[in-house]
Amino acid sequence: GESVGLHLPTLSVQEGDNSIINCAYSNSASDYFIWYKQESGKGPQFIIDIRSNMDKRQGQRVTVLLNKTVKHLSLQIAATQPGDSAVYFCAESGAPGSARQLTFGSGTQLTVLP
Amino acid sequence: ETGVTQSPTHLIKTRGQQVTLRCSSQSGHNTVSWYQQALGQGPQFIFQYYREEENGRGNFPPRFSGLQFPNYSSELNVNALELDDSALYLCASSLAGGPNEKLFFGSGTQLSVL
Repeated sequence: GESVGLHLPTLSVQEGDNSIINCAYSNSASDYFIWYKQESGKGPQFIIDIRSNMDKRQGQRVTVLLNKTVKHLSLQIAATQPGDSAVYFCAESGAPGSARQLTFGSGTQLTVLP
Repeated sequence: ETGVTQSPTHLIKTRGQQVTLRCSSQSGHNTVSWYQQALGQGPQFIFQYYREEENGRGNFPPRFSGLQFPNYSSELNVNALELDDSALYLCASSLAGGPNEKLFFGSGTQLSVL
């Protein structure tokens, strides 16, 4: 079946460096993609989203890139901080109209080193 | 904080028992979705409620059922609990049909089945 997956289960970066978290998806009908951050003991926290008619979207310190040709999504975090340490999930949805039903990947654990 | 509240935060049950989990959606949201998150994995969609009716269901057996109330709050019921039901159960609310279809998650209920 269709699924969303991540290339790497863990990522360690030095504080102040930029982080890049990658995600591959297989459902070509997906039209909406989201990145969530999940800290221990908490629910997923929305970071940034992008629709399939866009290639790039920027937020505060974060950028999401979408490459529909190769079905690849990435999250870039600039100047990574200790508070960025968490598990990051990409999620996709192919259900337009009514509220979104998301398919999540398995997550990438980001660790920020001092 | 997302404004989505879940209760209880932790629960311990034995195999074969029944459990009810509760969720209050964010003010202004009309749709509630439930997700199951096993340890080390991404959340998996259970079902969604809109206008007090089930509006989509994932690959979960009928012993997983739910309700949505007129105030948009929701319950998740699981009958005949199995050991594999041990997981974090997440509730997410959203506004169907609005310009912003982001899902906002609560902190979850950690269910342990012994």
